[in-house]
Amino acid sequence: ETGVTQTPRHLVMGMTNKKSLKCEQHLGHNAMYWYKQSAKKPLELMFVYNFKEQTENNSVPSRFSPECPNSSHLFLHLHTLQPEDSALYLCASSQGIGPSSYNEQFFGPGTRLTVL
Amino acid sequence: GENVEQHPSTLSVQEGDSAVIKCTYSDSASNYFPWYKQELGKGPQLIIDIRSNVGEKKDQRIAVTLNKTAKHFSLHITETQPEDSAVYFCAARGGGADGLTFGKGTHLIIQP
Repeated sequence: ETGVTQTPRHLVMGMTNKKSLKCEQHLGHNAMYWYKQSAKKPLELMFVYNFKEQTENNSVPSRFSPECPNSSHLFLHLHTLQPEDSALYLCASSQGIGPSSYNEQFFGPGTRLTVL
Repeated sequence: GENVEQHPSTLSVQEGDSAVIKCTYSDSASNYFPWYKQELGKGPQLIIDIRSNVGEKKDQRIAVTLNKTAKHFSLHITETQPEDSAVYFCAARGGGADGLTFGKGTHLIIQP
């Protein structure tokens, strides 16, 4: 148990559906991240938030919309996804960010998303 | 941006033997190099990390080495045990980046 929880653990959705992934961290961290993990590919950073402000968007399509209402919660809103978006979506948190801060990232268990 | 290459993609060793996984990175300004272990159905878990001002770090059976000149770093696991079987990822944080860039992962198989 890393202190980062994700719900749901599994999600199946059609291409016209709208759904949301939720992440919550109980570690008192200030930074939160979304990563995408596809088969045979490295983990891909999607978004970074620090103190609720988005600091990095790694050229993610607009059909993925993140939301960070506070430092403990992070959402990923999904709409009109494609089958190639099927993957494991991982949330992580860390104490801080920045080149002068060496911050360990703690990952949640992920949400396995299947787009039909 | 940063690019991380990891080898091998699959590594099978006899229980009790050592395992070595190697990674290279492209951004000379990268300053932080963690290693993660991912078991089936779980998220990656940090097992060891090394900062750019250190050449080697050890934690019981696990060690990591960093060669900044050559821009490569390696994970060494000694006296391997069945519970070491998992996928291992190296990562690097490039200069000025907030997130990590990961390698493709190594599936480590410990043969009994």
